[in-house]
Amino acid sequence: DTEVTQTPKHLVMGMTNKKSLKCEQHMGHRAMYWYKQKAKKPPELMFVYSYEKLSINESVPSRFSPECPNSSLLNLHLHALQPEDSALYLCASSVGTNVDNEQFFGPGTRLTVL
Amino acid sequence: AQSVAQPEDQVNVAEGNPLTVKCTYSVSGNPYLFWYVQYPNRGLQFLLKYITGDNLVKGSYGFEAEFNKSQTSFHLKKPSALVSDSALYFCAVRASPPRGSYIPTFGRGTSLIVHP
Repeated sequence: DTEVTQTPKHLVMGMTNKKSLKCEQHMGHRAMYWYKQKAKKPPELMFVYSYEKLSINESVPSRFSPECPNSSLLNLHLHALQPEDSALYLCASSVGTNVDNEQFFGPGTRLTVL
Repeated sequence: AQSVAQPEDQVNVAEGNPLTVKCTYSVSGNPYLFWYVQYPNRGLQFLLKYITGDNLVKGSYGFEAEFNKSQTSFHLKKPSALVSDSALYFCAVRASPPRGSYIPTFGRGTSLIVHP
């Protein structure tokens, strides 16, 4: 299995809702990432998990809360989001955090905040 | 600090013609360079990488890239473009800490349009 899966594909939520994005990989990768991507822009790093521990938080607002329950799963919990948080949220994984490791990306969750 | 520049927002090429998507980089130390492609409404897909060794790197779908240290460039090429190659292409660089970051820095992306 050489893919990263993400659910749901699309999500529409109000500013008072709580929702979660899920990401899963079964490649044995020990590094997992959350990115936010606006249309026709490069992905912006949000969080990095290495060996199930949060290693990087790129000053992301607390309304985004990541969780790594095990080495195959990565969640992103959403609460009290703003309309400007509407974007494509991408999960990625890599063998590790070595500089020569390429990343494998999931198809993304298209999030719309009303 | 590390950075990547993709000087062209868009590249237009006729099907069957060769294509080049440009990328230049700036790092302290040895660069690790990557190309990714993103089709509409999809995630990024790894195409190829330069770590060390041969300056010409071959990747997926007939793409290749040439590492040029003196020009600090890593241009993506394909001898004969297909309409299905139309997508958004991202160049990325990583470098070893402490002078660099293992977190990839992405270029702004280049939209490749291949005309039939």
